[in-house]
Amino acid sequence: DAKTTQPPSMDCAEGRAANLPCNHSTISGNEYVYWYRQIHSQGPQYIIHGLKNNETNEMASLIITEDRKSSTLILPHATLRDTAVYYCIVRVVVTLGKSTFGDGTTLTVKP
Amino acid sequence: DTAVSQTPKYLVTQMGNDKSIKCEQNLGHDTMYWYKQDSKKFLKIMFSYNNKELIINETVPNRFSPKSPDKAHLNLHINSLELGDSAVYFCASSQAGTGGHEQYFGPGTRLTVT
Repeated sequence: DAKTTQPPSMDCAEGRAANLPCNHSTISGNEYVYWYRQIHSQGPQYIIHGLKNNETNEMASLIITEDRKSSTLILPHATLRDTAVYYCIVRVVVTLGKSTFGDGTTLTVKP
Repeated sequence: DTAVSQTPKYLVTQMGNDKSIKCEQNLGHDTMYWYKQDSKKFLKIMFSYNNKELIINETVPNRFSPKSPDKAHLNLHINSLELGDSAVYFCASSQAGTGGHEQYFGPGTRLTVT
């Protein structure tokens, strides 16, 4: 699985967009980019995933660069409840592959 | 209804004891996982079962033995507990048939070994 690099922490004002970057320069052509988050003391929560194209769901948008070496998770209107640790994970097959989370980015949404 | 549930939520025990953590999912998924999150918040996979068969077994001491009686359950038994086993253990599930991209996690079991 490709290694990912994320900033350790970020702040965002409530109501503004939160843009969380992730570098995965060694990503392979068949590896997906996944984002999960972990709110304090809870189990991780799936957010979104993508292979090549940008993706959007009810929670967030995922922007993957054309060379796929980096991506950005966008929370369009951050709320206080979005304060959490956000993990960027790159791997081939989710179910049958190894699933180890990195250090993640601690996002703090401030009023 | 809780999608992935774990019992107990908290477990405090002494070194050398044997304990079990239970996990159940009501999502109809065919794949289940155990993760360990240590004090530094680093989350690492331990085991993965697909249709009751072990498919991932990371470098975990053989004191840890997972058991999957059916697709909806994956229990974790730990023998001869050590201080280093203190951590939060998360169970998760996913559905391989739809790509298995989304894993649903349980609330975690905080194990403290004294």
